[in-house]
Amino acid sequence: EAGVAQSPRYKIIEKRQSVAFWCNPISGHATLYWYQQILGQGPKLLIQFQNNGVVDDSQLPKDRFSAERLKGVDSTLKIQPAKLEDSAVYLCASSTDLGFGQYFGPGTRLTVT
Amino acid sequence: KQEVTQIPAALSVPEGENLVLNCSFTDSAIYNLQWFRQDPGKGLTSLLLIQSSQREQTSGRLNASLDKSSGRSTLYIAASQPGDSATYLCAVRGDSSYKLIFGSGTRLLVRP
Repeated sequence: EAGVAQSPRYKIIEKRQSVAFWCNPISGHATLYWYQQILGQGPKLLIQFQNNGVVDDSQLPKDRFSAERLKGVDSTLKIQPAKLEDSAVYLCASSTDLGFGQYFGPGTRLTVT
Repeated sequence: KQEVTQIPAALSVPEGENLVLNCSFTDSAIYNLQWFRQDPGKGLTSLLLIQSSQREQTSGRLNASLDKSSGRSTLYIAASQPGDSATYLCAVRGDSSYKLIFGSGTRLLVRP
């Protein structure tokens, strides 16, 4: 079974630029999560989808971050414009359904200069 | 608001030692607690999941315990090996939420 795929693996941008990350969950998984992990901290949930609907986006900075999962499969997370404090690893995870075990992708390491 | 704390932040031990990693949480109304392993440049791998009604779970050399009333969990690693070197994260899921709240992790180095 293929795992959660993410791209790109690394990205370096200047502040005020925009960036997008892509995630393809495990086939058949209804629930998809985006986490932000700042160096030295644990992952923090940004947004959670159930199929193509948003379940929880309470910690998503909506003035600059957006995410979509239009067809209920893969998802994109966008930052526009980026700030220095957005430097982090962005992890995508998926699960068969709400409340079930989450499987994590390798993450995208973002550096904002 | 649930807060999860892990102590110590870093640990270095010689190969073969038994060791204990600690996790504490402020709200005892949890649905389950999970221990993850994170290797550099890789995602998280689930090690053990303990439901709120359980006291412990075991997998190979790993044993995780849960004391919900005191808000504590421990991960015991027996006969540590250099391949155990990684960051270990604990995460709790609340009774009324599907969200996982993570601790900051313990960075473990097992020296040959």
